Amino acid sequence: DGGITQSPKYLFRKEGQNVTLSCEQNLNHDAMYWYRQDPGQGLRLIYYSQIVNDFQKGDIAEGYSVSREKKESFPLTVTSAQKNPTAFYLCASRERDTQYFGPGTRLTVL
Amino acid sequence: AQSVAQPEDQVNVAEGNPLTVKCTYSVSGNPYLFWYVQYPNRGLQFLLKYITGDNLVKGSYGFEAEFNKSQTSFHLKKPSALVSDSALYFCAVRDITGGFKTIFGAGTRLFVKA
Repeated sequence: DGGITQSPKYLFRKEGQNVTLSCEQNLNHDAMYWYRQDPGQGLRLIYYSQIVNDFQKGDIAEGYSVSREKKESFPLTVTSAQKNPTAFYLCASRERDTQYFGPGTRLTVL
Repeated sequence: AQSVAQPEDQVNVAEGNPLTVKCTYSVSGNPYLFWYVQYPNRGLQFLLKYITGDNLVKGSYGFEAEFNKSQTSFHLKKPSALVSDSALYFCAVRDITGGFKTIFGAGTRLFVKA
């Protein structure tokens, strides 16, 4: 999992609450990504950022928000507008063409 | 549209036998192809990539992959499987439409039986 950390490892949320997932990297990579993983569906892109203070929506951005105030950090907020947030969330950073992943956060909505 | 397909949900192989995990792709232009492995409740680990050059690419943990342009395939192989190779394997292709995004296949679960 290299120099990318995600916290917490497990997160439980009540319906109607916003929660923020942390992603930090010390690899000096400019680009960072957030994915959602559901069983049997592979990875789906939520948001990505090519550089500090800039980010773009991915394929399933509705109900999520991000910020990129520092190169090292790319937090993801799962809002109450996300209809089905229970999933495994993966953060990645990119060096040239290759993405490197953090260990993931498993979010469960109670 | 660019895409990657992994036609097998699951592959079963006996320890010591060769293994193959299949991947086919559809891209316009030259493909940038990747293989990743995921162990339970962990992030994806990069195994290998093909950008250009030799069609046979060697990667981590004894894995290799063969790029076949005519068949648009990039199958992952290992000469002798280990029980510890049991995991979920993802094939991926770089999305050249912009943003340096990567498109992932649905994954193939490999079971290696002792």
